[in-house]
Amino acid sequence: DTGVSQDPRHKITKRGQNVTFRCDPISEHNRLYWYRQTLGQGPEFLTYFQNEAQLEKSRLLSDRFSAERPKGSFSTLEIQRTEQGDSAMYLCASSASVGEKLFFGSGTQLSVL
Amino acid sequence: GEDVEQSLFLSVREGDSSVINCTYTDSSSTYLYWYKQEPGAGLQLLTYIFSNMDMKQDQRLTVLLNKKDKHLSLRIADTQTGDSAIYFCAEQAAGNKLTFGGGTRVLVKP
Repeated sequence: DTGVSQDPRHKITKRGQNVTFRCDPISEHNRLYWYRQTLGQGPEFLTYFQNEAQLEKSRLLSDRFSAERPKGSFSTLEIQRTEQGDSAMYLCASSASVGEKLFFGSGTQLSVL
Repeated sequence: GEDVEQSLFLSVREGDSSVINCTYTDSSSTYLYWYKQEPGAGLQLLTYIFSNMDMKQDQRLTVLLNKKDKHLSLRIADTQTGDSAIYFCAEQAAGNKLTFGGGTRVLVKP
């Protein structure tokens, strides 16, 4: 069991640049979730996938954010024209199916300068 | 809508028991979780309880659920310095996504 893997661990970028994060879920987990956590807060839901289908998006996910899971395995989260307010830890989680426990990766810490 | 509340801070002496409390609002919650987060790290699943259970014990951890009052607690017996971290409770509703509380920072003093 290799767990949920996220890459990169840290990303520093300048305001206005685009960034992309990758998440590899636990093998054979068909649900994949993205969360965002700002300093001193609990994680907030962004979006989730059932296999390759994106089933729900939070209102936090502005049109600068896009997530994909093209083959139902790994997922990418892209942020276009980054803003300082995008600075946060981006967490990915996966679960085997509906109603199953979520397991989280170590996250990608984004700093927008 | 879903809302999960936790106290902000708990200080405890090493060897004592810690009790972290959480309240939630969604009565359709299926599972309730406790996660631990150490500085700079992701979320570690500590334990969970299904909504039709009142109590679950797992080594030093005891989870109590009062579904009528929508109150969840986590008791850590014989608290150690390695237990210093932020603890998040989360509810999992019918849509399967988790809603987290703001976290309780636990400080264990020697």
